[in-house]
Amino acid sequence: KQEVTQIPAALSVPEGENLVLNCSFTDSAIYNLQWFRQDPGKGLTSLLLIQSSQREQTSGRLNASLDKSSGRSTLYIAASQPGDSATYLCAVSRAYSGAGSYQLTFGKGTKLSVIP
Amino acid sequence: GAVVSQHPSRVICKSGTSVKIECRSLDFQATTMFWYRQFPKQSLMLMATSNEGSKATYEQGVEKDKFLINHASLTLSTLTVTSAHPEDSSFYICSAIIPGSSENTIYFGEGSWLTVV
Repeated sequence: KQEVTQIPAALSVPEGENLVLNCSFTDSAIYNLQWFRQDPGKGLTSLLLIQSSQREQTSGRLNASLDKSSGRSTLYIAASQPGDSATYLCAVSRAYSGAGSYQLTFGKGTKLSVIP
Repeated sequence: GAVVSQHPSRVICKSGTSVKIECRSLDFQATTMFWYRQFPKQSLMLMATSNEGSKATYEQGVEKDKFLINHASLTLSTLTVTSAHPEDSSFYICSAIIPGSSENTIYFGEGSWLTVV
C-alpha cells in the first residue's frame, strides 16, 4: 500500500527566504507526482505535475524535483511571500494507465506560514 | 481553465438524516470523477471513482450503501451520505479529468464541509 509522507508538518519562515518542502513515497511504481496548494476552507490548486520519466518541473518561483528510485520529491519555493502561506500537498498517482493514473494518494501536507 | 464546482460548500445535518453533495464540471464533460474525504489533521483519502452511466468503484473500507454515488450525466456526480452520523463529519472534495486530455491535469472542486450534529 502506497504511503506518502511530508516533512515538515509545519514551517514558518520570514518573507524573502527560500525554502524546501519534502515528500517521500514508499512505492516507486507511480505514474506522476503532483504538488498542490490548499488554502483554508478551499479546494486544491495544482502547482506542478512531474511525470515519472521526468526529474523536475518549474513554474515561476516554484521548482519541483522527483527522484523516483529513492521515492523522494522536493518543492523549492524561492523568495517566499506572505501570499505563499497555505498548506502544500504532495500526491502520487496510483498506476500507469486508466483511471488509476488519476487516483491519487496524498500526504498530510506541510502548513507554510510566511511572516511579513 | 477547466472549472469544477461543488455544492453546498458547507452543510450541517442532523444525525440519521441524509445529505447530498453535488460535483459539477462547468465547462467540460467529465466521464470520470473522483470523491475524496479528509478528516482533521489527516490526508485526503480516495473514497470512490465515479463513472458516468455505470456504478461507482469504491475503495476498500468505504461502505457503498452508506455513501451513494450517482453519475447520471457527463457534468454531474453526486455523493449522498445516508443515515449520517457525527463520525461522518469531514471535508469532502471531488475531482474530475478531461477525457482524452494529454496533460493529465486533475481539476478539483472547492470541497464541502459536512457537520453532522
